[in-house]
Order: sequence, then C-alpha cells, then structure tokens
Amino acid sequence: GENVEQHPSTLSVQEGDSAVIKCTYSDSASNYFPWYKQELGKRPQLIIDIRSNVGEKKDQRIAVTLNKTAKHFSLHITETQPEDSAVYFCAASRDDKIIFGKGTRLHILP
Amino acid sequence: NAGVMQNPRHLVRRRGQEARLRCSPMKGHSHVYWYRQLPEEGLKFMVYLQKENIIDESGMPKERFSAEFPKEGPSILRIQQVVRGDSAAYFCASSPPPQPDTQYFGPGTRLTVL
Repeated sequence: GENVEQHPSTLSVQEGDSAVIKCTYSDSASNYFPWYKQELGKRPQLIIDIRSNVGEKKDQRIAVTLNKTAKHFSLHITETQPEDSAVYFCAASRDDKIIFGKGTRLHILP
Repeated sequence: NAGVMQNPRHLVRRRGQEARLRCSPMKGHSHVYWYRQLPEEGLKFMVYLQKENIIDESGMPKERFSAEFPKEGPSILRIQQVVRGDSAAYFCASSPPPQPDTQYFGPGTRLTVL
C-alpha cells in the first residue's frame, strides 16, 4: 500500500522568512496530493491540493510542487506570519483513500 | 451549507463501556471517512463508507470497532468494550462526487477512556 514520508517533523522559521516542507510517496499510481493545516485542538483544514497532471500550483503565499518521476512533493510558504504556526500534513491519494504523512510542526518565531 | 458535523465533541467512558460517535457529512456529500489521531501524531485511516456500504475498512481493528452509514441519518463509529488505548481524537471527513478524494473534516470527537 501507499506510504507517505514527511520531513522535517519540526520546523522553526523567523517571521517573514519562507518555510518548506517535503514529502515522498511510494505508490506511483497516486494522483491527488492535498495539504492540510491543523491548529491546536482544531480540525485539519485543506489549504491547497495538486493533481498529478500539474507540476505546480500557487495560492497567494502558499505553493505546492510535484515531481512525479521522483515521487515527491513540497509545500512552500512565503512571507510567513504568526498565524502560520500549526501542524501541516501532506497526503497522497489513489482511488479515494488518502494516506497522511506524520505531520510537520511549524513554529513562526517573532 | 453547514460543514461536517460531529457529536459529541467530547466523550468520557469507563473501561468496558461502549462509545458511539456520530458524523453528519456536508450536504451533497455521499462519502464518509473516519480517522483516528493520537496526541502528537498524524491521522490514521480507519474506514471509508458510502450510503449503506462499507467500501474500505482496512484501517479499522477487527474486534470491538464497527462503522455504518445508513440510508437516513448520520454515520456512526461504534467502539465496544473500550480500553484506555482507545483514547484519541476521532475525525470524520466527507467528500463530494465526482471528486471523492477532496475531503473536508469535522471538528472531531475527543474520546477519553478512564
């Protein structure tokens, strides 16, 4: 079955700097890659997603890139702000079933 | 359009009791998923249901756990004879056709087993 690895597990960046979170997946048939943000005690919220027919997608300060050949994808957050502090989960999906990475705890330092 | 609803938000049970967790998907969504999240950990897939059908229950323990999504009413995750290790946050997500892979999460039920 699918296996999703996510790095780093913890990331601290200065406010205003960029943050990058990387994930790899094992099943070459996976075709949908969502990213979720989870604040403490809250539900995971979909922040951006990408399908396998696209290499990059951007939404304001957030962008995701996908390399199908290498089976890895990344989340980029630019101009980080305090409200970006949260746990971020990458995921890979094929046939409706989503497999999540273990998460990255992002700290934005003042 | 209300989001995914879950109740109760918090549930406390003693060992050996039963826990029933409910999930109402977003309007128009026909797919429901249940996940378990332990503190400081990721989301573990448990089961995927459509109305009156279990599509994939590969992540659900074979004993004590069951799930249903009846024709009318919410999806139910049932845990019989709970043990301390069942303490976790249980999230439900729903997704719409024709893209059932885009999932939206409910607020979760935090189960504490004493």
